[in-house]
Amino acid sequence: QQQVRQSPQSLTVWEGETAILNCSYENSAFDYFPWYQQFPGEGPALLISILSVSDKKEDGRFTIFFNKREKKLSLHIADSQPGDSATYFCAASWSNNRIFFGDGTQLVVKP
Amino acid sequence: DTTVKQNPRYKLARVGKPVNLICSQTMNHDTMYWYQKKPNQAPKLLLFYYDKILNREADTFEKFQSSRPNNSFCSLYIGSAGLEYSAMYLCASSRAQGTNERLFFGHGTKLSVL
Repeated sequence: QQQVRQSPQSLTVWEGETAILNCSYENSAFDYFPWYQQFPGEGPALLISILSVSDKKEDGRFTIFFNKREKKLSLHIADSQPGDSATYFCAASWSNNRIFFGDGTQLVVKP
Repeated sequence: DTTVKQNPRYKLARVGKPVNLICSQTMNHDTMYWYQKKPNQAPKLLLFYYDKILNREADTFEKFQSSRPNNSFCSLYIGSAGLEYSAMYLCASSRAQGTNERLFFGHGTKLSVL
């Protein structure tokens, strides 16, 4: 059973638009939700994260919205830039070191 | 230096032969992980070391082994490679166990089994 699900699998937006990447999870015990960004040829790198006690986390153009009741979260990328083109992984964990990843959303930002 | 290094970047293996992948980090991190990543799939946790304690996932317990001779190095060993082992193998490290720590990933080793 997949613990973390992401949609869409791929997303194309124009430069300047807001990209919205969705994520949902199964295990109510998850309390930490990082998003990782991966460029081709590189390993994933932490982009932004949120704890389950919060419903929103902002870092520059990147915002996570979190709905604990529905077990859903989303990553909003405002004013998308071509340099944001990458694969974005939603992940979830609780206090046992096991971090579960979704399948990823491949984002393309067209200039 | 926040680099996790993996060698080699690409590896070709024959069915039935052993495979050994290497990972190193110089951040003095307590925990090191191995993930398997196949195209359009989520990175799948195979195992992790917290200090010298190895934790292997139940569904991959018999397929992968690992060693951590010191804090900086960690290997992933496949005793007899099968076609299904073809994947990207990602090594990661983090400071501690049981906390919401950031993972630092290497660039991965792409294993092709023929």
